Amino acid sequence: DGGITQSPKYLFRKEGQNVTLSCEQNLNHDAMYWYRQDPGQGLRLIYYSQIVNDFQKGDIAEGYSVSREKKESFPLTVTSAQKNPTAFYLCASNNVGANTGELFFGEGSRLTVL
Amino acid sequence: GENVEQHPSTLSVQEGDSAVIKCTYSDSASNYFPWYKQELGKRPQLIIDIRSNVGEKKDQRIAVTLNKTAKHFSLHITETQPEDSAVYFCAASSNSGAGSYQLTFGKGTKLSVIP
Repeated sequence: DGGITQSPKYLFRKEGQNVTLSCEQNLNHDAMYWYRQDPGQGLRLIYYSQIVNDFQKGDIAEGYSVSREKKESFPLTVTSAQKNPTAFYLCASNNVGANTGELFFGEGSRLTVL
Repeated sequence: GENVEQHPSTLSVQEGDSAVIKCTYSDSASNYFPWYKQELGKRPQLIIDIRSNVGEKKDQRIAVTLNKTAKHFSLHITETQPEDSAVYFCAASSNSGAGSYQLTFGKGTKLSVIP
């Protein structure tokens, strides 16, 4: 069953703690993305990666970090430097070779800072 | 950078009526305009997209129109059904050339179809 898997689905963290959100895909897609979704704000791009070992900042990268050591995996770390981390986080990928532009999303991870 | 404005933020229609959602973008280099539907508690899914070399595209009850001169594009849903109730997002992007798309999304429109 192909797709994108995000974990955990729900996560609670205390202020000052770093937390890592997992994103794994078995679609053989080269490009992967992290978006943040807040009520009434749409989806905002945090980081994206076009190939392994390479990634670029999106519009709201401050307080976040990523890695892309494997094609299938693109974890996002929410650091203590992120001032307002409570949000819904969506991971996505697309097939660069097909050049269709369609993003395939995971089911999301909801982070709550207590 | 790109800025996408989407209107209205909420829209209620009677079942069977049409719904129209409008978006404007700022970057004249943008050449790809998708629409995503997000049902409550689910992931966004692509429902239709259009590229800048096309003025209109249809897929059954859904159509998208693009006016490059005015930098706006619209989603049209005809004969609405209760299952069309969802949040709809427009987006704009210029293809990076490497195949990845850095989409800028609108803030979304919550469509409610009243039976």
